[in-house]
Amino acid sequence: AQSVSQHNHHVILSEAASLELGCNYSYGGTVNLFWYVQYPGQHLQLLLKYFSGDPLVKGIKGFEAEFIKSKFSFNLRKPSVQWSDTAEYFCAVIRQTDSWGKFQFGAGTQVVVTP
Amino acid sequence: GAGVSQTPSNKVTEKGKYVELRCDPISGHTALYWYRQSLGQGPEFLIYFQGTGAADDSGLPNDRFFAVRPEGSVSTLKIQRTERGDSAVYLCASSLFLAGGGEQFFGPGTRLTVL
Repeated sequence: AQSVSQHNHHVILSEAASLELGCNYSYGGTVNLFWYVQYPGQHLQLLLKYFSGDPLVKGIKGFEAEFIKSKFSFNLRKPSVQWSDTAEYFCAVIRQTDSWGKFQFGAGTQVVVTP
Repeated sequence: GAGVSQTPSNKVTEKGKYVELRCDPISGHTALYWYRQSLGQGPEFLIYFQGTGAADDSGLPNDRFFAVRPEGSVSTLKIQRTERGDSAVYLCASSLFLAGGGEQFFGPGTRLTVL
């Protein structure tokens, strides 16, 4: 069973539109949460992460994500996308009850931004 | 080098053959991770090393898969008696510390095709 769910597999939007990508996980207990991005032809790279504290975290390139513990969610947002945001986005979770190295990734969301 | 490197970039083999995939982590990174990514899916955890030892190998699908990191730097993922279902992109990542507190840096992957 998929333990990390990303709601959309493909998203197409125009430049300047707002983006929100959903991520839900199915574990209880303490988790660390991440969003990774893979631009065309490039490696996976970290966008942002949440460990503790302020549930609204800011990452690179204007992205932010909000951790809502009661909803087991960690949604990614960007108020105004650019063509260069075309990429695949992956949510990832580490559970404290697992070893700290065992990342669980979602299936990814392919985002296409049209000019 | 500046990033994680993986060799070969592509490997085509026949069913039943043995393959080795190599990962060179970022210098000084103590933790090293292997993932497998099938088409349309997110990376699937296989194993991670802290130093020379495999801290968690619970993601290895069966005993045909084995990984080593004898000197705490370079790692080799070994697959015996390959099957067509092993075809995927194999990703390696490294981090300065254990992933719960550290960012993973990914390599470009090795695309394995089993005919």
